[in-house]
Amino acid sequence: DSGVTQTPKHLITATGQRVTLRCSPRSGDLSVYWYQQSLDQGLQFLIQYYNGEERAKGNILERFSAQQFPDLHSELNLSSLELGDSALYFCASSPALGTEAFFGQGTRLTVV
Amino acid sequence: DQQVKQNSPSLSVQEGRISILNCDYTNSMFDYFLWYKKYPAEGPTFLISISSIKDKNEDGRFTVFLNKSAKHLSLHIVPSQPGDSAVYFCAASVGGNEKLTFGTGTRLTIIP
Repeated sequence: DSGVTQTPKHLITATGQRVTLRCSPRSGDLSVYWYQQSLDQGLQFLIQYYNGEERAKGNILERFSAQQFPDLHSELNLSSLELGDSALYFCASSPALGTEAFFGQGTRLTVV
Repeated sequence: DQQVKQNSPSLSVQEGRISILNCDYTNSMFDYFLWYKKYPAEGPTFLISISSIKDKNEDGRFTVFLNKSAKHLSLHIVPSQPGDSAVYFCAASVGGNEKLTFGTGTRLTIIP
């Protein structure tokens, strides 16, 4: 158990819908990362927050957004869902910048 | 544009022998490299890392080798144990642990 909690574990939704994925980082970790793993792909970096502020952005679609709240938990919002958005979404956290990240178990999103 | 490549999707090794997992990268700006291990239904777990100023880093049974001129790194596990059976991801970044670019993974199976 890495200490990073992601909810829900599984999510099935229809095209065009909007979903919110939640991540609770390890206690005290200030940095939160979101990654997407599509079928047969490596993990793709989406976005990073540090202490409530957006720090780095990767290949995140405009239909996707994220935020980190004052209690340091983070949410990833995916809207106007398409079939191709079906993937595993991982959240990771680290205590400070430049330290190794600990990953949650992921949320498996299936868009039908 | 796959900047980090793991060309072997799978590898089988006898228990007690050496496992060698390979990774190639194309972005010469990468200066920090990591290996993560992933069991089914779990998030990736950090294994070992290496900075581009080194060519070798060792941690117990795990050794990572970096060949900057060939843009190649490898993970050696010796001796291999059944618990090492997992998917191994190579990852790279510029400037530290953030914004990792992952390979597609190699599934290692240790045969008892």
